[in-house]
Amino acid sequence: EADIYQTPRYLVIGTGKKITLECSQTMGHDKMYWYQQDPGMELHLIHYSYGVNSTEKGDLSSESTVSRIRTEHFPLTLESARPSHTSQYLCASSADSSGSYNEQFFGPGTRLTVL
Amino acid sequence: KNQVEQSPQSLIILEGKNCTLQCNYTVSPFSNLRWYKQDTGRGPVSLTIMTFSENTKSNGRYTATLDADTKQSSLHITASQLSDSASYICVVSDRGSTLGRLYFGRGTQLTVWP
Repeated sequence: EADIYQTPRYLVIGTGKKITLECSQTMGHDKMYWYQQDPGMELHLIHYSYGVNSTEKGDLSSESTVSRIRTEHFPLTLESARPSHTSQYLCASSADSSGSYNEQFFGPGTRLTVL
Repeated sequence: KNQVEQSPQSLIILEGKNCTLQCNYTVSPFSNLRWYKQDTGRGPVSLTIMTFSENTKSNGRYTATLDADTKQSSLHITASQLSDSASYICVVSDRGSTLGRLYFGRGTQLTVWP
């Protein structure tokens, strides 16, 4: 089991609320990622980070924002949640080494439901 | 366009039986191909990884094959168990970016019945 953690595991909130999904890893990995996954669909990259103070948007446009102040921590924030944000959010990390073949280790995910 | 296609979309088998899942990809330049297992409500966990020079890799009852010429891979599960019920995702990495971008298939949902 990879040492990458996400909280909360499940979240049900009302429209308009601000939320932060937490992701932490204890492997010392420089690269971290956020994916969005809907049932039966592929994972879509929404944010990534090469390291501290580095954040980039992924392939799928997202209204969420991320920050990377510490190596081990990569939180995702939605300022005003809407029903269209209902999805599973997966955090991942990888070592900055070509020898690792870019293996990404995934957290257990946060299932977000916005009513 | 870089894509990963998996088949079948879903599969039901009886406990103890074997099955084979398929993956076709168009990702280029190719770096490596992984098969992940994703249990319901959990994150994906890597089962096998293969580079272009490898054509088979085993991990217990899981055996993956890769044909880099035809850009096809398969995952064979032997003597299935109830705990094998999960989504199996084919993931291809390119070597054209420093990010090490991953391209995900939609997965094959495997259900093993007793």
